[in-house]
Amino acid sequence: DAKTTQPTSMDCAEGRAANLPCNHSTISGNEYVYWYRQIHSQGPQYIIHGLKNNETNEMASLIITEDRKSSTLILPHATLRDTAVYYCIVARYNAGNMLTFGGGTRLMVKP
Amino acid sequence: ETGVTQTPRHLVMGMTNKKSLKCEQHLGHNAMYWYKQSAKKPLELMFVYSLEERVENNSVPSRFSPECPNSSHLFLHLHTLQPEDSALYLCASSQGGSGANVLTFGAGSRLTVL
Repeated sequence: DAKTTQPTSMDCAEGRAANLPCNHSTISGNEYVYWYRQIHSQGPQYIIHGLKNNETNEMASLIITEDRKSSTLILPHATLRDTAVYYCIVARYNAGNMLTFGGGTRLMVKP
Repeated sequence: ETGVTQTPRHLVMGMTNKKSLKCEQHLGHNAMYWYKQSAKKPLELMFVYSLEERVENNSVPSRFSPECPNSSHLFLHLHTLQPEDSALYLCASSQGGSGANVLTFGAGSRLTVL
C-alpha cells in the first residue's frame, strides 16, 4: 500500500472549518483514500473514503486532487469534540481490510 | 458503544501471570482484528481472522496467543509478558470479502505489565 504524509499537528478555532491535508504521491490506480480519527483513549473511528471524486457525508468532506497525489479532509464546523488524531490511509478496496495506520495529525480545536 | 465490546477495559498483570482479553462484536461481521497501540507509536496490526481462520500474524511474539471460537468472539491470551508489552490493545471487526475497508473498533483494553 502507498505511504501517506500528514502534518504532525494542527490547531483550529471552534466553529471554523478544519482542513487536514494528506500527501500520497505514490498512490496507485486501484487504491482508495480512507480517513479515520481517534479521540483520546478510544478506538479509531471511520470517517470517509474516496477514489477520485470528492465525497461528503454527515461527518466530513473529502477533496481529492485530480492527480490523486494529495487529499484534504474538511470538517466544516469544528467543535471541541473533534479534537483527535486524524489518520489518512491509502489502501486497495477490498484488500482484506488490512489497514496500516501511520502517525496521523493531532487536531486541537480551541475555543 | 460502537457494536464492538472489549473486556476488561483496564488490566494490570505481573510478568508471570496468564490473562486473556476478550472482544465481542454485535455487527454480524465476518472478520476480526487485534491491533496494539504503544505510547507515541502508530497502531500495529497483530492478528487478523477472517471467517474464523487466522489470515495474518504480523510477527507477533508467541507470548500473545489469539483465539477466534466463532465470528462474534475474539480472544487474546497473554502469558509471561514483558513490561514493554504495556499498551492499548484494540479489537476491530469488518465485513470482509467485498466492500470498503471500514473497520469498527472497540474502546480498547489498556494493559499494564509490571
